[in-house]
Amino acid sequence: DTGVSQNPRHKITKRGQNVTFRCDPISEHNRLYWYRQTLGQGPEFLTYFQNEAQLEKSRLLSDRFSAERPKGSFSTLEIQRTEQGDSAMYLCASSPRTGRADTQYFGPGTRLTVL
Amino acid sequence: RKEVEQDPGPFNVPEGATVAFNCTYSNSASQSFFWYRQDCRKEPKLLMSVYSSGNEDGRFTAQLNRASQYISLLIRDSKLSDSATYLCVVNRGSTLGRLYFGRGTQLTVWP
Repeated sequence: DTGVSQNPRHKITKRGQNVTFRCDPISEHNRLYWYRQTLGQGPEFLTYFQNEAQLEKSRLLSDRFSAERPKGSFSTLEIQRTEQGDSAMYLCASSPRTGRADTQYFGPGTRLTVL
Repeated sequence: RKEVEQDPGPFNVPEGATVAFNCTYSNSASQSFFWYRQDCRKEPKLLMSVYSSGNEDGRFTAQLNRASQYISLLIRDSKLSDSATYLCVVNRGSTLGRLYFGRGTQLTVWP
């Protein structure tokens, strides 16, 4: 499968714990995005990487959230001191080096439940 | 005000029906427009881009009215497999990757 992959697919954690999610974009896609989707809502943008550079961050990305893409390939999203309001589907998307940045391919998501 | 507004539905239609979804966007600088489809507990997938002249892909027709900041999707001859949530999406320019999603409109097609 050469699509965007995300791990884990599901994560259940207790409030106050830290969690980390991983996204592997489509090979050679240099643009990578994180979105969050809560029940009944559309995805909301969190952050955007071009290669290893984080070029845009949403105000949704509070200081408890950090995203990295150290070598310009896979990316991680860490949430520290999780809160129940962090429960959501975290989606990763990538787009190719050439062509339109708005042509994005989504991974299956990581569903986070904070108890 | 949200960037993209959609009627969440749900829309429940019989097979073979024609159904239309609408959305509005608030930022006149928006330049790219899309409809995405999302099946239950799955990731969004691009259904079609929307162009100013209107465009058609099989049973699906999308329209854009820039003056009214309004986007529509028409599905003709609905199939059971069309049951999904349809997300209206805009972007402010193809060099800026950020997509703005509406909350989605839920469609159920019944036999």
